Amino acid sequence: DTEVTQTPKHLVMGMTNKKSLKCEQHMGHRAMYWYKQKAKKPPELMFVYSYEKLSINESVPSRFSPECPNSSLLNLHLHALQPEDSALYLCASSSATSGGPGRNEQFFGPGTRLTVL
Amino acid sequence: GEDVEQSLFLSVREGDSSVINCTYTDSSSTYLYWYKQEPGAGLQLLTYIFSNMDMKQDQRLTVLLNKKDKHLSLRIADTQTGDSAIYFCADFYNTDKLIFGTGTRLQVFP
Repeated sequence: DTEVTQTPKHLVMGMTNKKSLKCEQHMGHRAMYWYKQKAKKPPELMFVYSYEKLSINESVPSRFSPECPNSSLLNLHLHALQPEDSALYLCASSSATSGGPGRNEQFFGPGTRLTVL
Repeated sequence: GEDVEQSLFLSVREGDSSVINCTYTDSSSTYLYWYKQEPGAGLQLLTYIFSNMDMKQDQRLTVLLNKKDKHLSLRIADTQTGDSAIYFCADFYNTDKLIFGTGTRLQVFP
């Protein structure tokens, strides 16, 4: 299985809602990533988990809360979002972890298209 | 920090070759990648090149790396309409993260 899956595909939420995005991989990868991608822009790194521990937080607002319950799952909990948070949220995984030698091929999921009203 | 730049748009005729260019600033880059993104989809890894290589060929794809000029290119031979997408180069920066280029939209017309 060489796939990263993400649910839901689309999500519409109000600014007072709480929702979660989910990501799953069964490739045995020990690094998992959340990216945010606005229209016509490259992905921007939000968080990196390495061996289920948060290793990078790119100064993301606290209304985004990541969680890695096990080596296959990655969640992104959303609370009190703003309309400018509307974007495609991409999850990725890789076998190499931060600081390790060798290539760090990241495999991406299809993304969750989030709209905040 | 690292800066990765690409031209925004490229239009080619079906059957021609496409060349997508990328420049980066980090001289300590180890691996450089090319990703493809189709509309509404995630990113698909196409190929990569290690920094001690000048060229890598993979079927219709040829990657050229000029380390002196910090210039990377992706050549797609016999471009097809299914190649229409946004192409991102990415630099594995400082062993921590991928820094993506601005993206090049490739349009292939019949």
